[in-house]
Amino acid sequence: EVQLVESGGGLVQPGRSLKLSCAASGFTFSSFAMAWVRQAPKKGLEWVATITSGGSNTYYPDSVKGRFTISRDNAKSTLYLQMDSLRSEDTATYYCAKEGARGTFDYWGQGVMVTVSS
Amino acid sequence: DIQMTQSPTSLAASVGESVTITCLASEDIYGSLVWYQQKPGKSPQLLIYGATILEDGIPSRFSGSGSDTQYSLKINSLQPEDFASYYCQNGLSTPRTFGGGTKLELK
Repeated sequence: EVQLVESGGGLVQPGRSLKLSCAASGFTFSSFAMAWVRQAPKKGLEWVATITSGGSNTYYPDSVKGRFTISRDNAKSTLYLQMDSLRSEDTATYYCAKEGARGTFDYWGQGVMVTVSS
Repeated sequence: DIQMTQSPTSLAASVGESVTITCLASEDIYGSLVWYQQKPGKSPQLLIYGATILEDGIPSRFSGSGSDTQYSLKINSLQPEDFASYYCQNGLSTPRTFGGGTKLELK
């Protein structure tokens, strides 16, 4: 059974940093691209970052480019999201997601809440 | 970036009815359209990919259609567990853009 378990969320002041982790199990982690998707309170879904299976390529939307860094440790089956220069608009639940075929996110974690506020 | 526009934003229906949600892409996505269901307080769940292909375990009352820029999700014979939010997503290119969502509520 595929499991994705996020951790590392919490309350952080604007301008500060936070690092999220996602522990994966139940599949060959090193064979799949992985992503982070967020959802602001009462809002829709926003893709935040993708990393290829080997970790050599990363992709971000303009809203987080230069502030967020996605990385992975295939030996530990763990995905990370380093979030720097946080803003109030980054307040959201952050989901770790496995990328599947045909551009899908086929498995999602339970999500972790990040609140950016002074 | 490809923009995804969903309609309606909310919809009220009764158990047993059928409903249709539409998704319009700002350019041709060649059938690479994905649908998700999200229940309150839960993570999204993959329903349909490639515009028409049902993910394993998804009931056959869900169906997807469309091509080019216009796509639809139809739910036949609504069940109590179907009242949730639904999102479409561009599966063709990066950035992976989502529609704004449709909240399906019980009438």
